[in-house]
Amino acid sequence: AQSVAQPEDQVNVAEGNPLTVKCTYSVSGNPYLFWYVQYPNRGLQFLLKYITGDNLVKGSYGFEAEFNKSQTSFHLKKPSALVSDSALYFCAVRDIWDYKLSFGAGTTVTVRA
Amino acid sequence: DAGVTQSPTHLIKTRGQQVTLRCSPKSGHDTVSWYQQALGQGPQFIFQYYEEEERQRGNFPDRFSGHQFPNYSSELNVNALLLGDSALYLCASSFRDTNTEAFFGQGTRLTVV
Repeated sequence: AQSVAQPEDQVNVAEGNPLTVKCTYSVSGNPYLFWYVQYPNRGLQFLLKYITGDNLVKGSYGFEAEFNKSQTSFHLKKPSALVSDSALYFCAVRDIWDYKLSFGAGTTVTVRA
Repeated sequence: DAGVTQSPTHLIKTRGQQVTLRCSPKSGHDTVSWYQQALGQGPQFIFQYYEEEERQRGNFPDRFSGHQFPNYSSELNVNALLLGDSALYLCASSFRDTNTEAFFGQGTRLTVV
């Protein structure tokens, strides 16, 4: 079985400040990990993924995430948030022996000007 | 390069009716997955189609069925609609069983009244 937990329903930050969105996961094997962003009434937009290799992965729009195997975490970060980063963020995991993505419940990010 | 396209964008049906949703995958992709996203929740995996066959299914009843055509496009059919089937239905495409990320369409908003 595989699952994802996003412990924060909402994250509020001021523009220009660092942004962190937390994610922990559970899989029986090795994980493939993903972050997606969703804007109102839209589908999911891919941000970044961890498959193997360097634990720090860089993605679109200045986002990055750090894979921590011992803590089973994959937190999303951005050094300087923009108002346009305000959206709903989903962490997802897939066991390498599985085909489905399991998503967290999502974290709403609000960046105030 | 067209991404994943879904039709229709919105749909209103009555309880007990049947509905068909359509998806065209991103160019070069041969695998299609369907997800249900209820309001305020993360997407839930319904099933995945590859080589015109359902190769994995999530915890959804048999009222949910699908099909994949030789051109890799796909349909999701839901019979005997319930009020609880109201959700955003997302189609995602990917390339075979590699570690590539899934690309999502904008979704079909189904409302059952």
